[in-house]
Amino acid sequence: QVKLLQSGAALVKPGASVKMSCKASGYTFTDYWVSWVKQSHGKSLEWIGEIYPNSGATNFNEKFKGKATLTVDKSTSTAYMELSRLTSEDSAIYYCTRSRGGYSRAPFAYWGQGTLVTVSS
Amino acid sequence: DIQMTQSPSFLSASVGERVTLSCKASQNINKYLDWYQQKLGEAPKLLIYNTNNLHTGIPSRFSGSGSGTDYTLTISSLQPEDVATYFCLQRNSWPRTFGGGTKLELK
Repeated sequence: QVKLLQSGAALVKPGASVKMSCKASGYTFTDYWVSWVKQSHGKSLEWIGEIYPNSGATNFNEKFKGKATLTVDKSTSTAYMELSRLTSEDSAIYYCTRSRGGYSRAPFAYWGQGTLVTVSS
Repeated sequence: DIQMTQSPSFLSASVGERVTLSCKASQNINKYLDWYQQKLGEAPKLLIYNTNNLHTGIPSRFSGSGSGTDYTLTISSLQPEDVATYFCLQRNSWPRTFGGGTKLELK
């Protein structure tokens, strides 16, 4: 079955960067878009961006351009998101998701368990 | 960006009751509207996509409807396991945007 296993929680200092992972299994990694979603404490969800592992094509929420970098490693079926120049506003749970179909507009059918990022000195 | 407004923010209902949640978009989203359920401490889960299509494994008591800017999620007979926060998401245009959520509790 489809699984997305995300890396563990991270405690990082303001101004630093953090890179989190999302290891996919149970399907052909290169056939589906991977999106990343932010959930600040007790609040709603924000779409950060998406990447197509086959080509590396990306689409971003303008709000997160310059903040988030999306990459993939096809050899390990793993997607990565790096967040840079962290502030307290970046403290949140970050989810990776897999699209329901192999197109950019597909719904987010599968979700990882989330990675908690805490930014604190 | 398209703004998604959900109402109510909080809803208390009894087991067996019919429940209706609303989501309103700031512009026409051409039925590219999904509903997600998030239980406490868990990741969101897709319930309905493209307004009225039930995702695999989702009970038939969940249904969706709508068009243009106004969309609805209906639970025909509320069950205890339906206690959760429900989010709508528009995929008509970038950036994808979520509603603020409706928290559903048992009365």
